[in-house]
Amino acid sequence: QVQLVESGGGVVQPGRSLRLSCAASGFTFSRHGMHWVRQAPGKGLEWVAVIAYDGSIQWYADSVKGRFTISRDNSKHTLYMQMNSLRAEDTAVYYCAKEKGEGYNSESYFDYWGQGTLVTVSS
Amino acid sequence: DIQMTQSPSSLSASVGDRVTITCRASQGISNYLAWYQQKPGKVPKLLIYAASTLQSGAPSRFSGSGSGTDFTLTISSLQPEDVANYYCQKYNSDPWTFGQGTKVEIK
Repeated sequence: QVQLVESGGGVVQPGRSLRLSCAASGFTFSRHGMHWVRQAPGKGLEWVAVIAYDGSIQWYADSVKGRFTISRDNSKHTLYMQMNSLRAEDTAVYYCAKEKGEGYNSESYFDYWGQGTLVTVSS
Repeated sequence: DIQMTQSPSSLSASVGDRVTITCRASQGISNYLAWYQQKPGKVPKLLIYAASTLQSGAPSRFSGSGSGTDFTLTISSLQPEDVANYYCQKYNSDPWTFGQGTKVEIK
């Protein structure tokens, strides 16, 4: 069965960095685009970033552009998010999510989500 | 960027009631619209994609409709286990914007 397991969250001071990981299993990781979505405490879902199945294309929300970098290692079935210059408003649960379709496709909605990892930015 | 606006932001209905949530896109998105359900303390779960296709395993009391800019999610007969936040999401292009959510409660 599909499993997505995030790790790397924690408490970090403003301006510092953190790297999140998402270990994938149960599907052919290298065939699917992957996303990060976050949810601030008590708030709604916010899309953060996407990386194409082969890592060739990445897109970011304006709120994180220039500070966050999404990447993947298909040989390790792992998705990453490098988060730099963290701000208090980045405090959230970060979810990784898998696209339904393979390759470049129109089925880019999310059929599986991880359990999330909490990032708290506070001095 | 295209904005996604849901209404209402919250609703309270009785068990067995028909419930409708709307989602409006600021520009046309054809049928590239998904609905997710997030129960309290849980991970979001895909309910509907392509505006009206029910995800495998989702209860048949859920249905979606619409195309272009106006979409609806309908629960034909509200059940206690449907208490959740519901989010629409566009996926036709970057960014993959979510609506702000609708909280559904039992009266």
